[in-house]
Amino acid sequence: QVQLVESGGGVVQPGGSLRLSCAASGLAPATYGMHWVRQVPGTGLEWVAFVRYDGGHHNYADSVKGRFAISRDNSKNTVYLHLNSLRPEDTAVYYCAKDARPLVPDAEYNWFDLWGQGTQVTVSS
Amino acid sequence: DIQMTQSPSSLSASVGDRVTITCRASQSIGSFLNWYQHNPGKAPKLLIYAASSLHSGVTSRFSGSGSGSDFTLTISSLQPEDFATYYCQQSYSVPPTFGGGTKVEIK
Repeated sequence: QVQLVESGGGVVQPGGSLRLSCAASGLAPATYGMHWVRQVPGTGLEWVAFVRYDGGHHNYADSVKGRFAISRDNSKNTVYLHLNSLRPEDTAVYYCAKDARPLVPDAEYNWFDLWGQGTQVTVSS
Repeated sequence: DIQMTQSPSSLSASVGDRVTITCRASQSIGSFLNWYQHNPGKAPKLLIYAASSLHSGVTSRFSGSGSGSDFTLTISSLQPEDFATYYCQQSYSVPPTFGGGTKVEIK
């Protein structure tokens, strides 16, 4: 069964760091682009970051550019989101999501056909 | 960035009702429009991709239409498991952007 499982969330002080992980099972490695999407309490979904199937290209939302970094280890079929310089407004449930179409070079012309259950990140002093 | 505007933001409906949700893009996006269903605490689910294609395993109660900048999601006969929040999302350009969501509640 194909599934995505996120982990690594928690409570962190403003200015702190976290690393989120998204482990994929049942998926061919190095084949699909992967994304992180978040939901701030009481609001809708916000796309955060994308990493290409080979890890060679990334995109970021302006709200996290320079603070967050997405990476992947295809030998472990895992995608990571490194959250640095965290702010209270980064408090959200973070979901990883998989591109539907394989081997697409950028974050466009695709859709998210599989999502994880999410991991909660709370930034508070 | 392309702005996505959904309407209504919420609606109340009864089991068996036909429900229509609209989504407007701030510029033409062709058919690069996708729809998702989300329940609190659960993984969002893909319903419709490329404006009108039904994702594998999704009931045919759901249908999508539109192109350019105006799109519609229709639920033909609302069932209890359909009460959720629905989001449109454009994949025409980076960054991918979502509409604000439409919460479908029980009347």
